[in-house]
Amino acid sequence: EILMTQSPATLSVSPGQRATLSCRASQSVSSNLAWYQQKPGQPPRLLIYGASIRATGFPARFSGTGSGTEFTLSISSLQSEDVAVYYCQQYSVWPPWTFGQGTKVEIK
Amino acid sequence: QVQLQQSGPGLVKPSQTLSLTCAISGDSVSNTTADWNWIRQSPSRGLEWLGRTYYRSKWYYDYASSVTSRITITPDTSKNQFSLQLSSVEPDDTAVYFCTGRCSSTTCARAFEIWGQGTMVTVSS
Repeated sequence: EILMTQSPATLSVSPGQRATLSCRASQSVSSNLAWYQQKPGQPPRLLIYGASIRATGFPARFSGTGSGTEFTLSISSLQSEDVAVYYCQQYSVWPPWTFGQGTKVEIK
Repeated sequence: QVQLQQSGPGLVKPSQTLSLTCAISGDSVSNTTADWNWIRQSPSRGLEWLGRTYYRSKWYYDYASSVTSRITITPDTSKNQFSLQLSSVEPDDTAVYFCTGRCSSTTCARAFEIWGQGTMVTVSS
């Protein structure tokens, strides 16, 4: 089973500043990496897939990079509506598909 | 637009069977380029994939090793839905349960694009 490790657990960023979230896989997942945004009381929402392809409905300030074992999600200019928990998930090696433990993004 | 609507009880007694249903609109449970999954979320386990069903000339089922002896996922083509049964539940099975849909074709996302609203299931006497 591939272990997904996210850092930091909590990230406090001032409005308009850049937020950088990390995700590391215990073995290579190529570009088979997704990011999800989850707000309280809602299911996760697919944000990025293929490590760097933005899903429908998300603005360009969200971007994903990386391949293999190291991945990054960036929010170029944090807005209040971006406050959420962000999860990474690998869909390269099955079984099972696995998720990271999440990074909570807060407004400083 | 594909939508998933979950239904089922929010309270289950220990040792009994948890049963949830996910109704699909805008797609078919028999879609040969999709698979239909159950995922749960709890503070102790985080997001945990439980299993899936999919149709490729016949029905297939895959389950996580952590629950394989207790889980059954069943498609219902007449109602265009799929269900989860988890037997012999314990308090540790308390979680929010989500149904999800995933396009498995190499030309699409292959991540979990479609989610049900979630069902908080508490295992308690």
